[in-house]
Amino acid sequence: DTEVTQTPKHLVMGMTNKKSLKCEQHMGHRAMYWYKQKAKKPPELMFVYSYEKLSINESVPSRFSPECPNSSLLNLHLHALQPEDSALYLCASSRTPGGTSGDTDTQYFGPGTRLTVL
Amino acid sequence: AQTVTQSQPEMSVQEAETVTLSCTYDTSENNYYLFWYKQPPSRQMILVIRQEAYKQQNATENRFSVNFQKAAKSFSLKISDSQLGDTAMYFCAFLNNAGNMLTFGGGTRLMVKP
Repeated sequence: DTEVTQTPKHLVMGMTNKKSLKCEQHMGHRAMYWYKQKAKKPPELMFVYSYEKLSINESVPSRFSPECPNSSLLNLHLHALQPEDSALYLCASSRTPGGTSGDTDTQYFGPGTRLTVL
Repeated sequence: AQTVTQSQPEMSVQEAETVTLSCTYDTSENNYYLFWYKQPPSRQMILVIRQEAYKQQNATENRFSVNFQKAAKSFSLKISDSQLGDTAMYFCAFLNNAGNMLTFGGGTRLMVKP
């Protein structure tokens, strides 16, 4: 089973709202990732969690706040977003954050949350 | 930093025919991993095939195979017997040796025509 789930599927929010995106996997993976994908563009890495600790932050604005409460769950808290933050937000997980096998490093993606900021 | 280039923004192929998608990359690392992901209109990013750089044998997965040329830093995807369900955006991706940075190419939009 290589399933990563994300909720909600769609989210519309105003610039003053606070909302959260949720990602869950039950594959025992210890690395989890947030990506942002604009239309007709490749995904761009935002954050990497390794063993529940933030290991990479790709200079993401502080209005995006990630959280990893446990090894199965990854949240992305949103506050005071801008219209240009509208995008598809993808979550991914891999067995280990770095290893010697392509299998352990393979990232499996969730279906994404389509975010619209008004 | 690694870069991944897909030189074909769009391609089309007739159903049942074969098509090859191109990908080149640039890196100073010797050990790394390469992937092809498929993203249909449903937007789910689906793993198609992966290749470890230290393996000389080209990976295959049913109708999908790669031509990995390490010296040329080339990693093309061949789809045989194309099916309508293969219509999607295809992304080539490079994973660094540390295993924590996945860099995507710009994507190739493939249309399979009946």
